[in-house]
Formats: sequence, structure tokens, C-alpha cells
Amino acid sequence: SAVISQKPSRDICQRGTSLTIQCQVDSQVTMMFWYRQQPGQSLTLIATANQGSEATYESGFVIDKYPISRPNLTFSTLTVSNMSPEDSSIYLCSVRLSWEQYFGPGTRLTVT
Amino acid sequence: AQSVSQHNHHVILSEAASLELGCNYSYGGTVNLFWYVQYPGQHLQLLLKYFSGDPLVKGIKGFEAEFIKSKFSFNLRKPSVQWSDTAEYFCAVNLGQPGKSTFGDGTTLTVKP
Repeated sequence: SAVISQKPSRDICQRGTSLTIQCQVDSQVTMMFWYRQQPGQSLTLIATANQGSEATYESGFVIDKYPISRPNLTFSTLTVSNMSPEDSSIYLCSVRLSWEQYFGPGTRLTVT
Repeated sequence: AQSVSQHNHHVILSEAASLELGCNYSYGGTVNLFWYVQYPGQHLQLLLKYFSGDPLVKGIKGFEAEFIKSKFSFNLRKPSVQWSDTAEYFCAVNLGQPGKSTFGDGTTLTVKP
């Protein structure tokens, strides 16, 4: 199994600022994923982050808005840039180990 | 692109009642199917999964799900719910790309003691 931690657990940010979310895993994993869960909605995959290569973004998500770093096999960051109230969501880090997918506790972001 | 539909947004049951949560997906090819649960204040965790073989899958905590290919469905069931089953339940599908799952909107289950 994998244990995932995220920082911060929640934050309230002002419009136009940026927030970097950290994800730490207790084991080495090749693939890490970032999801967004907007209020009352489902989880939506933002991007896949592989160590040593650029992140792959899903349709509707771009690197300028959601830059991702993946410096090693246990850590990744997601930055939400130039935030607006529409970015208020829970952001979840996820990893794949074999065929199992594990999720972090999420970062609850509120943009005012 | 595949989509996942969960029919009930909020289900309220009394303890010992039977549970069935509906899940339908739109993709016609080979799929991997999952049910996840998120208890209040906790992480999403896997309840059960179907890759192939027996279409009736048993998961943790007495849950099971049945894959009916002709109906594109993967409904979650439990014969007798407990108060501790109060949680949000998500159905998910992927096309053999682990990690890149499409999730349904979730069903909030409230079990009254």
C-alpha cells in the first residue's frame, strides 16, 4: 500500500495569487496523478506526473495554470496559478502501485 | 471519452436495510471498474475492483458489485448496512490506464442508527 500526505490541508487565498500544493508518498512510484474535486462534483484528472519527464495534462488543463514538478519518485507539487474563485476545489494527489490507486487526503482550496 | 453515471446523489437508509447504488458507464470496450469510498474526514479508499473473470466481485466490509456488460453497469450492493457505512461512494472506470480513471459524481449514503 501507499501512504500519501499533502500540504497544506486547506488554505484560503486571494484572487490573482498562486498556491503550491505538496504531495509526499512513503514509497517510490513512477506515476503520480493530480485530481480536482469541485464542490458537489466528481473527481477530474488534471495531469499525470512522471519522474524525469514533463507532466501530461488532460483536456481543459494547461501547464501555465497548473505547473507541476516531479523532482523524485516520492514527491510532487502542483501549483494553482493566478487563482480565481472558480479554482475553489479540493485538490487530490494520487499514485498507482501495481493496479491499485491510492489517494491523498486532499487540499481544500478556497479562493476569495 | 468514457463517462460514468451514478444515479443517486443522496441515499438515506436505516440500519439493516439493503443497499444498492447504481453505476453506468459509457465505454463499449474493455474496462476496469472500481468503487471507492470516502468516510467523513478520511481519504478515498478502494472498496472493490473488477478487471476480468467472475462478474460478481466481493470487496471489503461486506460490499459486493456485479458487472453486467450488456447493461454497462457495475452496481454496488450490501445486504445490511450499518451506521458506519455512512460515507460518499464513487464509481470509477478506466480503460487499462491505471491511475487515469473517470469518476462518477458520487453518492452520499447516510445510514440512520
